[in-house]
Amino acid sequence: QKEVEQNSGPLSVPEGAIASLNCTYSDRVSQSFFWYRQYSGKSPELIMSIYSNGDKEDGRFTAQLNKASQYVSLLIRDSQPSDSATYLCAVKNGKLTFGQGTILTVHP
Amino acid sequence: NAGVTQTPKFQVLKTGQSMTLQCAQDMNHNSMYWYRQDPGMGLRLIYYSASEGTTDKGEVPNGYNVSRLNKREFSLRLESAAPSQTSVYFCASSLLEEWYGEQYFGPGTRLTVT
Repeated sequence: QKEVEQNSGPLSVPEGAIASLNCTYSDRVSQSFFWYRQYSGKSPELIMSIYSNGDKEDGRFTAQLNKASQYVSLLIRDSQPSDSATYLCAVKNGKLTFGQGTILTVHP
Repeated sequence: NAGVTQTPKFQVLKTGQSMTLQCAQDMNHNSMYWYRQDPGMGLRLIYYSASEGTTDKGEVPNGYNVSRLNKREFSLRLESAAPSQTSVYFCASSLLEEWYGEQYFGPGTRLTVT
């Protein structure tokens, strides 16, 4: 079982819809969780971090963490074509482990 | 602020050649990291430096060496390049090792080994 798993996609949503990206992790003692966005041919960019169970909102982005079920998700409201990118989930438990990423395409 | 800079942006090497990838940050961060990114494999940590004067192996250190030259600079050396080292290499930094989930990445070096 991979330490951090994401559906590779592509996930395609229409402009204005909610995009839901999911990530599961295997190590129960993981402490911190991060979402990075990576545009094609560019470097990853941190967009959200979450440390405790529940929701954390930042603009159109909401990160959700459920440690009991060992999953973390990212919701993007009012999706825009500029949100089209690969979204990387990263989990920290001493070391930082990245998932392989989910490709999101937002079509007009 | 330039953030994290990397040189070169692109490089083609022949098998057996050596090269050094350079990384510098101007954010006064203490911790720096080298990753490689391959299709289907995600980002994998090669080496990291928690603070100036220290370096540690990551997940895939074989075939690489690093030098933390000072607080700003962290270089990655390939002594004898192999085709398996064809990849995109990213340098990253974070304020402290405790915060190393919150990393800032450089633009990357695209390396091809023939």
